[in-house]
Amino acid sequence: EAGVVQSPRYKIIEKKQPVAFWCNPISGHNTLYWYLQNLGQGPELLIRYENEEAVDDSQLPKDRFSAERLKGVDSTLKIQPAELGDSAVYLCASSLGTVAGGGTGELFFGEGSRLTVL
Amino acid sequence: AQSVAQPEDQVNVAEGNPLTVKCTYSVSGNPYLFWYVQYPNRGLQFLLKYITGDNLVKGSYGFEAEFNKSQTSFHLKKPSALVSDSALYFCAVRDKGGGNKLTFGTGTQLKVEL
Repeated sequence: EAGVVQSPRYKIIEKKQPVAFWCNPISGHNTLYWYLQNLGQGPELLIRYENEEAVDDSQLPKDRFSAERLKGVDSTLKIQPAELGDSAVYLCASSLGTVAGGGTGELFFGEGSRLTVL
Repeated sequence: AQSVAQPEDQVNVAEGNPLTVKCTYSVSGNPYLFWYVQYPNRGLQFLLKYITGDNLVKGSYGFEAEFNKSQTSFHLKKPSALVSDSALYFCAVRDKGGGNKLTFGTGTQLKVEL
């Protein structure tokens, strides 16, 4: 079974440029997450989707960040314009529902997309 | 709000010795608890989880963790450390009543030396 696939793995851009990250979750996983991970820190949730609905985007800086999950499968995270402080790793994860709902509970992560803003 | 604390930024252990990586949590209800490991330039890999039942849970690569409700702790342990265990370890918590939101600690760098 294929894992969570993210692209690109690495991206270097100049500040004020736009950037987009793509994520393909594990087949059948209805919940998709985008996390931000700064160097040496734990992942911080940006947005969580249940199918195509964004159910938690309280930590997403909406002035420059946007995300979409059309058809409840693939997802794209966009930053426009990028700032120096956006340099980080953007992790996508998926899960099969909640434990209470009969799912397994754990998240499965992709390899991440490392963004460097110059 | 749920939270996780990993009090040690780094843990150093000699190969063959037992290791412990500490984690304490705070949730409003009963917790689901997880440990993940991250190798350099890689995503997070699931190690083990506590949902209910036995307080001692076993996971991948010989790791285990003990859930202690009174101390709100979920320490990761391994009886005999390997150099290849050197990595960044994250504890995470999910509130049973909080849907799918998983909150991570800041991570503990484990270094196992010969």
